[in-house]
Amino acid sequence: AQSVTQPDIHITVSEGASLELRCNYSYGATPYLFWYVQSPGQGLQLLLKYFSGDTLVQGIKGFEAEFKRSQSSFNLRKPSVHWSDAAEYFCAVVGRGANNLFFGTGTRLTVIP
Amino acid sequence: DSGVTQTPKHLITATGQRVTLRCSPRSGDLSVYWYQQSLDQGLQFLIQYYNGEERAKGNILERFSAQQFPDLHSELNLSSLELGDSALYFCASSVDDPLGSRNYGYTFGSGTRLTVV
Repeated sequence: AQSVTQPDIHITVSEGASLELRCNYSYGATPYLFWYVQSPGQGLQLLLKYFSGDTLVQGIKGFEAEFKRSQSSFNLRKPSVHWSDAAEYFCAVVGRGANNLFFGTGTRLTVIP
Repeated sequence: DSGVTQTPKHLITATGQRVTLRCSPRSGDLSVYWYQQSLDQGLQFLIQYYNGEERAKGNILERFSAQQFPDLHSELNLSSLELGDSALYFCASSVDDPLGSRNYGYTFGSGTRLTVV
């Protein structure tokens, strides 16, 4: 069965610092991979997705993620965090030929001035 | 505005009652997905409809049911409500059935917060 692990429940970074949120997946083949962001009281917004091809994926709001097959990882990065990036971040997978997104438990990001 | 509309935004009801949550997908999207988000369970997939037909089921209780209408809007019916059903219920839509390689990601609505008292 597929699964997604986000090992960091809560991360605190200073504004302007770099950020990396970890995501590991378990799946028999290469799944489709996604990162979503959820601001308080809001729905989930798609940051970026990986289907195939270039393993470094650019997303919105200055985020990027790198797919590493050997590590079964899809970590999210941002070189310089802004206070408005404070939110909950979810990694998700869907197997090729499957129907539904399977989410990790999320990482809450706090940004301090 | 994501283009996916969910109503109502908030709902407070008593145990044992029945409620209906409504979702209008983004224009052109044929698939609708329902998710439940709670503190202890995280984001759980409930059910998917594609062009009016049930396509996949997840962790949906027998007390819950859903349908998708010809105009593609969907309703999630929750009955015999229990305190533990209190959660945020999200609807998402996708541009295509994600079978094969044409999965462009899902667009989520802002959710319905259900509180059972």
